[in-house]
Amino acid sequence: ETGVTQTPRHLVMGMTNKKSLKCEQHLGHNAMYWYKQSAKKPLELMFVYSLEERVENNSVPSRFSPECPNSSHLFLHLHTLQPEDSALYLCASSQDARASPYEQYFGPGTRLTVT
Amino acid sequence: AQSVAQPEDQVNVAEGNPLTVKCTYSVSGNPYLFWYVQYPNRGLQFLLKYITGDNLVKGSYGFEAEFNKSQTSFHLKKPSALVSDSALYFCAVSATDSWGKLQFGAGTQVVVTP
Repeated sequence: ETGVTQTPRHLVMGMTNKKSLKCEQHLGHNAMYWYKQSAKKPLELMFVYSLEERVENNSVPSRFSPECPNSSHLFLHLHTLQPEDSALYLCASSQDARASPYEQYFGPGTRLTVT
Repeated sequence: AQSVAQPEDQVNVAEGNPLTVKCTYSVSGNPYLFWYVQYPNRGLQFLLKYITGDNLVKGSYGFEAEFNKSQTSFHLKKPSALVSDSALYFCAVSATDSWGKLQFGAGTQVVVTP
């Protein structure tokens, strides 16, 4: 799991707060992803970046704002969240987003609790 | 559209017995199929994938999976389960034009008892 790191590992925030999740990959990959994992639900793809360009925005509310300054770093900026946004947020990377056969490598996740 | 079904929420098996976790899929065109495992408070770890070629794919930790095109299945197997195999297992599928978009199943909890 050291290939993809995420900080913080745990985050508790109020609905009026602004916070950011950080992801860093040390694998030399060109694609990065944000997923939301809620209990009893399949993983939900939120955003896909390929070479710092956003190529997928999976109908995610605007209170989630991604940023990819370079191919190694990915952020998820959070503001005015709702309690139902409480979940495990997973970052992943792969060699290339356009060529599907490449497996994705996941970070350990950030456990987010919105109060 | 692509979809994945994992029909069992949980699979219970005794240590030393064979383990099978089922997965069926639906995708336009040829599928790329993956298995991942998730341990508590951890991210997903890649186990194995099917791209093309031999229908039997071998992966990490003694796991293997068999691609069956006619049954649109990709079941995960291990000949002899270990207690340490207890975890949440996810099957995923993608297609050639999906921008690396993996469709995950809901997951199957595997419990291996000593």
